[in-house]
Amino acid sequence: QLVQSGAEVKKPGASVTVSCKASGYTFTSFGINWVRQAPGQGLEWMGWMSANNGNINYAQKFLDRVTMTTDTSTATAFMELRSLRSDDTAVYYCVRGSSFDSWGQGTRVTVSP
Amino acid sequence: QSVLTQPPSASGAPGQSVTISCSGSSSNIGTNTVNWYQQLPGTAPKLLISGNDQRASGVPGRFSGSKSGTSASLAISGLHSEDEADYFCGTWDDSLSVFYVFGTGTKVTVL
Repeated sequence: QLVQSGAEVKKPGASVTVSCKASGYTFTSFGINWVRQAPGQGLEWMGWMSANNGNINYAQKFLDRVTMTTDTSTATAFMELRSLRSDDTAVYYCVRGSSFDSWGQGTRVTVSP
Repeated sequence: QSVLTQPPSASGAPGQSVTISCSGSSSNIGTNTVNWYQQLPGTAPKLLISGNDQRASGVPGRFSGSKSGTSASLAISGLHSEDEADYFCGTWDDSLSVFYVFGTGTKVTVL
């Protein structure tokens, strides 16, 4: 099970950090993906981080604005997105592993002046 | 930004069958296995099919997946009202700009 932090409202230019706490499995056995969905839109993959060795792959679109981390002591993954814009308004999901077999409930991030 | 193309909508009466297509390229579907995800209204997506044709745990047998070349398909045989949802395909992509890509999504309506 993946449980995410609550909704956020941010101003343009600010940063947001979303957390994703894992339970029910060995955290370091799977990586964590981050996927977002803008209102009424499809799914967009942002990146992936191994919870075992720290390897990271970011989508090129987010390379300069996103940082993904994990805390193995608390089995929690984090995604920080900086320099927020209005088009970053979306629901952000953490998703387990290369099979995308377990999804968090989503965190709504609203970017508004 | 989706590189996998799906029809925007599909529909059928209860008990009928629908098939959703997902068209990609040699760098994604042509090389990697395809997953399908179901997103019920107001909820997070959930894994439906992995590895082209393997139903996830608890998924009814009326859902089936297949792949041929650079395209994949999801079939729902014997529609139930609870199948009304958005469906997305997804797969890894061997390009350098993005590693995982999703389809544009298909809204299935049960008439």
